[in-house]
Formats: sequence, C-alpha cells, structure tokens
Amino acid sequence: GAGVSQSPSNKVTEKGKDVELRCDPISGHTALYWYRQSLGQGLEFLIYFQGNSAPDKSGLPSDRFSAERTGGSVSTLTIQRTQQEDSAVYLCASSLVTLGGETQYFGPGTRLLVL
Amino acid sequence: GESVGLHLPTLSVQEGDNSIINCAYSNSASDYFIWYKQESGKGPQFIIDIRSNMDKRQGQRVTVLLNKTVKHLSLQIAATQPGDSAVYFCAENNGVGGYQKVTFGIGTKLQVIP
Repeated sequence: GAGVSQSPSNKVTEKGKDVELRCDPISGHTALYWYRQSLGQGLEFLIYFQGNSAPDKSGLPSDRFSAERTGGSVSTLTIQRTQQEDSAVYLCASSLVTLGGETQYFGPGTRLLVL
Repeated sequence: GESVGLHLPTLSVQEGDNSIINCAYSNSASDYFIWYKQESGKGPQFIIDIRSNMDKRQGQRVTVLLNKTVKHLSLQIAATQPGDSAVYFCAENNGVGGYQKVTFGIGTKLQVIP
C-alpha cells in the first residue's frame, strides 16, 4: 500500500474486555514498531519487530499486552482485560532498515477508549 | 525507540516569525537524526533528517542543526505559518547489536499565533 494503515481507527470498549489492534506496514519494510501516546504526551515505545529476529518487548507495560507479526508483514497488538489507563492512541510505524539508519513511517493510529 | 510519557513543553510563536525547537539527545554513538511533525489526530510525519557527518541541513523553510559536542539538535522553521502548529519530535538512530535502535525525544508543541 501507499502507507502504513491501522484498524480500527477508533475503538471504544468496556473495562475488562480484550481488544485487538491491527497494523499493515508498508510493503517490503522489515521493521515494525508499536507506540502508545496518551493525550498531550510523547511517544511511549511498546514493541519492535525486525525481520526474523526475536522482538524487542522491553516497552510492554504489563503482561496484558502482547503483539504478533505474522509472515513478516501484518502485526496485531492485543490488550487483554483492558483498564481505563489503557486509553490512548496506539501508533504503528514501519521502516526499511539500512546500514545508514532508518526513517519510520507512521500510521494514523488507533484511538482506544476504555470505559 | 523509547520515550518517557511526560507532558509536552510548548513553544508559542507569532505568525511570520522564525521558530527554533530544541532537542537534547542521549547517545553519543547516534549517527542519524530525524525530525517528525505530528498534527492533531494524525501520526508523526517525516520532516527532515541529518547524518552525524554533517552539522547543518536545509529543506524548504526548515533547517536542522546538529552539535555533536553537546549532543544537541535543533529545528528551525522560517516564517512560521498557522499550518506549522503541531507537535515536533526528534529521533536519534544508533546501531545496537547489528540493528538500528531509534529513540524519540519527548516532543515540543508549537503554537502559531495568527
């Protein structure tokens, strides 16, 4: 596709429910990132996938959060037993990693509201 | 990349004036730097980049300056326009364990006063 896409664009859920957020990266990009952004704040790193390497999960805030990347392309971020503090915008970015560095291309984000 | 969820500093600038947004980066081994612009309700978008072998790079109305001695990066916007109102993030890249690690700054909110 032309850019990174994410779905759904908005998600309202009840506390305690599970949610799944999807990211379609730019075709051919080997690296994929998930970030969380609370209102008026910066980017909080969650997880990073690079090719076939083990993902860097160091940013996941709790074991309720998990992510997968199937076939080196589409990724899903799952939040189990959602809490109100999980309400935020979840951003996905992909990049083509080269020896010279990488530029991340961001999707529009999924706005999650936990009631 | 990692970023702490702090409240964003804000810069207010009169329309037509020049804006300077600053960023202190953390890793002296970082070799590639990027500025992103995030408009309300959208994801961050690439503005301009600079490699560590340069100290200045110019784009259209934007200039990035790099001072490796003090690990400081700045973004200058000439003749600031209302459409420049957004949050601006700097990002540093460095090779760790054979792959590039990206770290974002906390961001600065630019408000353009008409």
